Amino acid sequence: SQTIHQWPATLVQPVGSPLSLECTVEGTSNPNLYWYRQAAGRGLQLLFYSVGIGQISSEVPQNLSASRPQDRQFILSSKKLLLSDSGFYLCAWSDRPYEQYFGPGTRLTVT
Amino acid sequence: AQTVTQSQPEMSVQEAETVTLSCTYDTSENNYYLFWYKQPPSRQMILVIRQEAYKQQNATENRFSVNFQKAAKSFSLKISDSQLGDTAMYFCAFGGYQKVTFGIGTKLQVIP
Repeated sequence: SQTIHQWPATLVQPVGSPLSLECTVEGTSNPNLYWYRQAAGRGLQLLFYSVGIGQISSEVPQNLSASRPQDRQFILSSKKLLLSDSGFYLCAWSDRPYEQYFGPGTRLTVT
Repeated sequence: AQTVTQSQPEMSVQEAETVTLSCTYDTSENNYYLFWYKQPPSRQMILVIRQEAYKQQNATENRFSVNFQKAAKSFSLKISDSQLGDTAMYFCAFGGYQKVTFGIGTKLQVIP
């Protein structure tokens, strides 16, 4: 069966510091991968999605970036965090159109 | 672009009772799926139920069922025999070919 991992689970970072969140999927190959952000009490905002290694589509222009160095690895990064980057970050995967499965999430607090 | 609207920010239901969460959507696509996801306090997003747009029969998963009205672009979720573990945020979602669009969620509280 497929599993998706995210780490770290919780992160507290100062403003201006770099960020690296990692997501890996097991049990499938060539999945579509997605990064979402969920602000407190809000819905999910799609940040990036990838349909293959090195292929990244950005949905929202901001100081975040994403990379997919391996088939089942998706990384969310920032060179300098802003206070507004605080939130809950969810990674998701799909291996067929339409349906997505989510990881456990990372709670990021920028201080 | 697709939009998903959930007009009920919060709802409550007595344990063992039935509750219906509303969702409407807008799209020009013909092939799509609709989903309800549950996000309990742990914040893990869990797929509750899916509906294929080309199927007229409403999907059912145990105590969860949907009322899919394609012409009206309506997709409501009915939870029967509500349990305390059903307390969560519920997100309606529209699934296009590569992306899924989510509503802002309905917070459901099951009262003992």
